[in-house]
Amino acid sequence: DAGVTQSPTHLIKTRGQQVTLRCSPKSGHDTVSWYQQALGQGPQFIFQYYEEEERQRGNFPDRFSGHQFPNYSSELNVNALLLGDSALYLCASIASTLYNEQFFGPGTRLTVL
Amino acid sequence: QKEVEQNSGPLSVPEGAIASLNCTYSDRGSQSFFWYRQYSGKSPELIMFIYSNGDKEDGRFTAQLNKASQYVSLLIRDSQPSDSATYLCAVTTLNDYKLSFGAGTTVTVRA
Repeated sequence: DAGVTQSPTHLIKTRGQQVTLRCSPKSGHDTVSWYQQALGQGPQFIFQYYEEEERQRGNFPDRFSGHQFPNYSSELNVNALLLGDSALYLCASIASTLYNEQFFGPGTRLTVL
Repeated sequence: QKEVEQNSGPLSVPEGAIASLNCTYSDRGSQSFFWYRQYSGKSPELIMFIYSNGDKEDGRFTAQLNKASQYVSLLIRDSQPSDSATYLCAVTTLNDYKLSFGAGTTVTVRA
């Protein structure tokens, strides 16, 4: 049973560029949340996708957008990158019947220069 | 006031001792409470969750919840060097899908 996977592991971009991060949830999980974790801070909720729709959104600008595919995998897109977007981006995999248990993938470390 | 606050670290304990971690939350509607462990450079790993007032034990870990005081704690008994990590407290409220995290407390277990 594969766990939560994310790609890529690391990414370096320059200001103004766009980036796409990918996540595949655990088998049997149908919901994906995305979090941003800056150095020394707890993860901050970006948004959650369920049934291919954005179900809830945190306090992030519209530059952050996402998508969920029929196989429950998800993408996070960030446009017009800023230096402050440098962080660890985490995907959480959730079974909607047990939504309290959120399992994190290994994360993507994004560095914006 | 932050939604979730954790006692500032770092916390250093000798091997075999009890490590005590504290967390307070501001929203009285909070329903579920989680403790995650995060090793340096890794992603958070769910240790345990608690919904009801009182204690919940899982191996060497005990979570304690007091909703009247808006307080949740984690005790690590017989601390091992492998317990050295940052511990994150997270809460959710009814009909809210997000986890709200504290900033974490870093624990170092001295051999």
